[in-house]
Amino acid sequence: DIQMTQSPSSLSASVGDRVTITCRPSQSINSHLNWYQQKPGKAPNLLIYGASNLQSGVPSRFSGSGSGTYFTLTLNNLQPEDFATYFCQQSSSSPYTFGQGTKLEMK
Amino acid sequence: QVQLQESGPGLVKSSETLSLTCTVSGGSISGSYWSWIRQPPGKGPEWIGYAYYRGASNYSPSLKSRVTISVDMSQSHFSLKLSAVTAADTAVYYCARLGTLGRVGVFDYWGPGTPVTVSS
Repeated sequence: DIQMTQSPSSLSASVGDRVTITCRPSQSINSHLNWYQQKPGKAPNLLIYGASNLQSGVPSRFSGSGSGTYFTLTLNNLQPEDFATYFCQQSSSSPYTFGQGTKLEMK
Repeated sequence: QVQLQESGPGLVKSSETLSLTCTVSGGSISGSYWSWIRQPPGKGPEWIGYAYYRGASNYSPSLKSRVTISVDMSQSHFSLKLSAVTAADTAVYYCARLGTLGRVGVFDYWGPGTPVTVSS
């Protein structure tokens, strides 16, 4: 199985800040990396696919980059609705694995 | 707009079989891969497996011996059966569609999730 390691596990920030979350797969996954946002009591919601492509309807303040074994999710100009938990997920090979999550909290 | 809805018992006794159904609406169940994903409290999601409407399936190796996912086209739903459950199977269970965007597999539609507790 490909292990997905996210950092940090939690993060405190303020409205208007810029934050970056990192995801490191245990082996190369090319660009088969997706990012999801999850709010309490809700299902995860796809934000970015293929490492850097914004899902339809997702604000442009979200961006993703990386390939191989290093990926980042950047949130610019944080808005109140962005405070949530973020997960990376690889679809390079089965079983499709997720990171343990990064909880973004308001400072 | 595809919509998914899980249904099934929220409490299952240890050693018994967990059975859940996901009803698909707003789109056809054919032509897609349908997945189950679970999330234990405070942890990341765990992919359980998927089934294709034509009968193919793929399961996580860690659960493969206990899992069956099947698609019922006539009812437009798909199902999960997980046998010999233990407390470690307590989680919120989600159904989701495994779609493709830019040749990358994505879980693009999800049900709201249903909590399942395994009791002793």
